[in-house]
Amino acid sequence: SQTIHQWPATLVQPVGSPLSLECTVEGTSNPNLYWYRQAAGRGLQLLFYSVGIGQISSEVPQNLSASRPQDRQFILSSKKLLLSDSGFYLCAWSHLREGQPQHFGDGTRLSIL
Amino acid sequence: KQEVTQIPAALSVPEGENLVLNCSFTDSAIYNLQWFRQDPGKGLTSLLLIQSSQREQTSGRLNASLDKSSGRSTLYIAASQPGDSATYLCAVRTDSWGKLQFGAGTQVVVTP
Repeated sequence: SQTIHQWPATLVQPVGSPLSLECTVEGTSNPNLYWYRQAAGRGLQLLFYSVGIGQISSEVPQNLSASRPQDRQFILSSKKLLLSDSGFYLCAWSHLREGQPQHFGDGTRLSIL
Repeated sequence: KQEVTQIPAALSVPEGENLVLNCSFTDSAIYNLQWFRQDPGKGLTSLLLIQSSQREQTSGRLNASLDKSSGRSTLYIAASQPGDSATYLCAVRTDSWGKLQFGAGTQVVVTP
């Protein structure tokens, strides 16, 4: 069966520090991959999606970037974190065949001090 | 631009009552609609997916309906239990890349 892993589960970082969050999928190949952010009291906002290795599309201008160095690995990064980057970051995967749902990881809680 | 709304934002019911959760969307050109459950501090668990050509989908005590022309979906949870307490999110798939547009969710509390 397919599984999706995110780490770390929680992270506390100072303003201006770098960031790297990792997401990996097991048990499937060539998935579409997505990064979402859930800010306190708000809905999920799509940040990036990827349809293949090295192919990244950004949904909103921001301080973050994403990379997909391997088929089932998706990384969210920042060179200098801002206070506004705080939130709950979720990675998801799906195939685009009809009837296929999107599956989410357990998320990373990021707090910026 | 697609907008997804969930009303009410919060709901409290006694155990055993049926739950009715509403989701509305502004653009009927969707691929599908998904209902998710989110427990505090956790990721999302997919509950049901309804294709745009379907009217209804069922799984155990859960039943979801879709009226694409009016931009509405309803999630019914029969005979609610305290373990059903969670936030329920609906999301519509808006394009061929699989991007989802989410509602803000309905927080449900089922009291024993």
